[in-house]
Amino acid sequence: LAKTTQPISMDSYEGQEVNITCSHNNIATNDYITWYQQFPSQGPRFIIQGYKTKVTNEVASLFIPADRKSSTLSLPRVSLSDTAVYYCLVGDPTGRRALTFGSGTRLQVQP
Amino acid sequence: EAGVTQFPSHSVIEKGQTVTLRCDPISGHDNLYWYRRVMGKEIKFLLHFVKESKQDESGMPNNRFLAERTGGTYSTLKVQPAELEDSGVYFCASSQDGQGAYNEQFFGPGTRLTVL
Repeated sequence: LAKTTQPISMDSYEGQEVNITCSHNNIATNDYITWYQQFPSQGPRFIIQGYKTKVTNEVASLFIPADRKSSTLSLPRVSLSDTAVYYCLVGDPTGRRALTFGSGTRLQVQP
Repeated sequence: EAGVTQFPSHSVIEKGQTVTLRCDPISGHDNLYWYRRVMGKEIKFLLHFVKESKQDESGMPNNRFLAERTGGTYSTLKVQPAELEDSGVYFCASSQDGQGAYNEQFFGPGTRLTVL
């Protein structure tokens, strides 16, 4: 499984755009990049998934360069409720296999 | 639609006692996973059921842990006897088994286990 590296923590203010970058140098050809979000006292929650270029949904955007050795989760105009841990996962595109979590990035949004 | 539920939300037991955690997946989800996070560590996979069968139990730490999924519905995870290092948060997740599109895993809120 491809190992991922993310910043341990990030701070931001309400209304700002937050970009969290994840490195995955050993990503395999068939691997997808998936991001989960975890609020305190809750289980992780799927945010977004992509293979290459850009993916956007109602929550976030995911930017993946051509070499796919990194990816950036972009959260537009964060609010206090976006304070959470964000996990970057690389692997099975079907989601049927077990997920491999790294340490994640703890995002703290200040008023 | 109800999400994944876990019971109890918290459990405090003494070393050597037995504890059983329960997970009710989303109705119709064939895949059921158990994960746990011990203090200061990353979330780690324990095992994976497809319906009532164990698909992958490579993450189970030792034979003090026993997981079952009766009739392919809810699942239980028993720890017997519990040790101090078993303390942590145990998460259950479920997913569909459809073809094609990504089958995201839906997580429950977790059971916080404290072994004294």
